[in-house]
Amino acid sequence: KAGVTQTPRYLIKTRGQQVTLSCSPISGHRSVSWYQQTPGQGLQFLFEYFSETQRNKGNFPGRFSGRQFSNSRSEMNVSTLELGDSALYLCASSLTQGRGDTQYFGPGTRLTVL
Amino acid sequence: GNSVTQMEGPVTLSEEAFLTINCTYTATGYPSLFWYVQYPGEGLQLLLKATKADDKGSNKGFEATYRKETTSFHLEKGSVQVSDSAVYFCALLNTNAGKSTFGDGTTLTVKP
Repeated sequence: KAGVTQTPRYLIKTRGQQVTLSCSPISGHRSVSWYQQTPGQGLQFLFEYFSETQRNKGNFPGRFSGRQFSNSRSEMNVSTLELGDSALYLCASSLTQGRGDTQYFGPGTRLTVL
Repeated sequence: GNSVTQMEGPVTLSEEAFLTINCTYTATGYPSLFWYVQYPGEGLQLLLKATKADDKGSNKGFEATYRKETTSFHLEKGSVQVSDSAVYFCALLNTNAGKSTFGDGTTLTVKP
């Protein structure tokens, strides 16, 4: 079974631009979560989607948004990029939100903002 | 809210040494507990998990036991190898949340 895939793997953008990252979950998984990883802040939760609905959201500004499609694939968008948005963005998928559920992570997208 | 505290690193060991990385947590409800490993330039790989009190997760010689009474999930391995060098994250996942809470990560370096 294929794992979680994320595209692109690397991105370089300049301040003020916007960016869209994509995540394809493991087949059959309906929950997709996004995380930002930086050396200073560690792993921080952005948001979670389940059946095309955002069900949980972290403490990030409105410049960070996401969506999920009917095939469970998800995208996140960051508008008006700032230098501090440089990070590894990780996507995780899980089967359900029941007891014993497990999040499986993709390889991440490395975003560099210049 | 939920939180996870890991022992501070970095940790440097010689090959075949015993490894312990401490992890304690604070959570509401009955979370599942995980250890993930991250190699340079990669995402998080699930190492092991435990879903209820007294469960022991194990994989590739690593073990951790879910201790509800001490709210701990310490990672152990009897004999580390150079290839175990990586960053290890302790995490909890509450049911019905879709959000994992992570520790700060512990960098392990194993020297030959």
